[in-house]
Amino acid sequence: GEDVEQSLFLSVREGDSSVINCTYTDSSSTYLYWYKQEPGAGLQLLTYIFSNMDMKQDQRLTVLLNKKDKHLSLRIADTQTGDSAIYFCAEPMNRDDKIIFGKGTRLHILP
Amino acid sequence: NAGVTQTPKFHILKTGQSMTLQCAQDMNHGYLSWYRQDPGMGLRRIHYSVAAGITDKGEVPDGYNVSRSNTEDFPLRLESAAPSQTSVYFCASSYSGESTDTQYFGPGTRLTVL
Repeated sequence: GEDVEQSLFLSVREGDSSVINCTYTDSSSTYLYWYKQEPGAGLQLLTYIFSNMDMKQDQRLTVLLNKKDKHLSLRIADTQTGDSAIYFCAEPMNRDDKIIFGKGTRLHILP
Repeated sequence: NAGVTQTPKFHILKTGQSMTLQCAQDMNHGYLSWYRQDPGMGLRRIHYSVAAGITDKGEVPDGYNVSRSNTEDFPLRLESAAPSQTSVYFCASSYSGESTDTQYFGPGTRLTVL
């Protein structure tokens, strides 16, 4: 069935790297998304990767895509207190205009 | 542009009461959708609309109604609220509704049904 899986919680020390992992189901997805939700706010698109790419880097963010294993990861370098949020992996379903969201990974920053 | 706006931010209802959650977008987007976010459940789509006058059910539509009389507004109505509808509700818009379009989310409405 359609599902996007991610761990629910990640705790990282300030200054370290955070790696949030996700597995998805539809190998025909054209894009895969990462959304960020700060406390009390809606979701904001953080970054995305085309399905024909293995890696995308954008400042402190690195997205890695392993299509064979249907595995997506988001690495945040030099994690800062402002990175504290819930991160959602999302997979658009090309066949019925639907986006499947993971349950979200809550990133907690330790001082 | 204000983007996607939602009102109210918070509301408390009693079981059986009715309420309308408002959603508006000023980006001339055709596609609007309502999601609910519950702990450990991620986001689930309630209803969506691809254009004014057209609405469709999402994955969890029971207990909710929507209408789309114009491009900008997409209200979500709870006719007889139930405690199971306690949730955070997000409205989202995108240009055409293609699954590869970027969705823009409103700030959310936190609803409690007692």
